[in-house]
Amino acid sequence: KAGVTQTPRYLIKTRGQQVTLSCSPISGYRSVSWYQQTPGQGLQFLFEYFSETQRNKGNFPGRFSGRQFSNSRSEMNVSTLELGDSALYLCASSPEGVMNTEAFFGQGTRLTVV
Amino acid sequence: KQEVTQIPAALSVPEGENLVLNCSFTDSAIYNLQWFRQDPGKGLTSLLLIQSSQREQTSGRLNASLDKSSGRSTLYIAASQPGDSATYLCAVPLSNFGNEKLTFGTGTRLTIIP
Repeated sequence: KAGVTQTPRYLIKTRGQQVTLSCSPISGYRSVSWYQQTPGQGLQFLFEYFSETQRNKGNFPGRFSGRQFSNSRSEMNVSTLELGDSALYLCASSPEGVMNTEAFFGQGTRLTVV
Repeated sequence: KQEVTQIPAALSVPEGENLVLNCSFTDSAIYNLQWFRQDPGKGLTSLLLIQSSQREQTSGRLNASLDKSSGRSTLYIAASQPGDSATYLCAVPLSNFGNEKLTFGTGTRLTIIP
C-alpha cells in the first residue's frame, strides 16, 4: 500500500506571495488532515477534509485554506505569505470514522518565506 | 482543552541502555494515544497506537503503556541503538470519530551515544 505523498518537498517563496501544497492520501483513506510544525509552536492542527468537505478547522487565519478533490487528494493554500508562515507542513491520512486506527503522515513540505 | 506534555525535552543515553519516554495529558477522556517518531526535517512515522481499553502495546523493542486515570503514557525502548536517535512525539485524538484531528505533545529529542 503506497504511503502519503506530499509535493513539493521544498519551497522558497517571497513575503506577500501565495503558495499551494499538495497531498495524496493512502489509497482508500478518505480523510486528509493538515498540520503546521514550527520550532516555537510545535505541531498544530490546521484543518481536516473528508468527502470534499472541510469538517474541522484549527485556529489559523483565513489566509490558510484548503480543498479536497473527488479522488481524496487535497491541497492547501496560503495567501499573502508572512515570514512566520515558514514551517514544515504535514499531511495525514486516516480512514474516516474508524477509531483506534493509526494516522499516517507524509514526509512534509518545507516552506521557507523570505 | 486537551494539553499534552512530554518531559524531558531532550535525553541522551549510551547505546545499549533501556530508556523511558514520558507523555502526560490533561483530559483523561481519550480514545487512544499514538506514539510517533520524527527524524530531522522529515515526516512522522507511526510507532504504536494504544487504545483506551489497553494498558500496554508492544512492537519489537518498543513498549507503550497507558494509564488514563493518571493522564500518563510511557514509551519504553529496550536495548537502545544509535538508529533510535530521533524526536519522539505522542498524540491524542480530539474527536470521537477517528484520528483525523490530533493534539501533539511537545516531543522528546532522543540521542543515543555510540
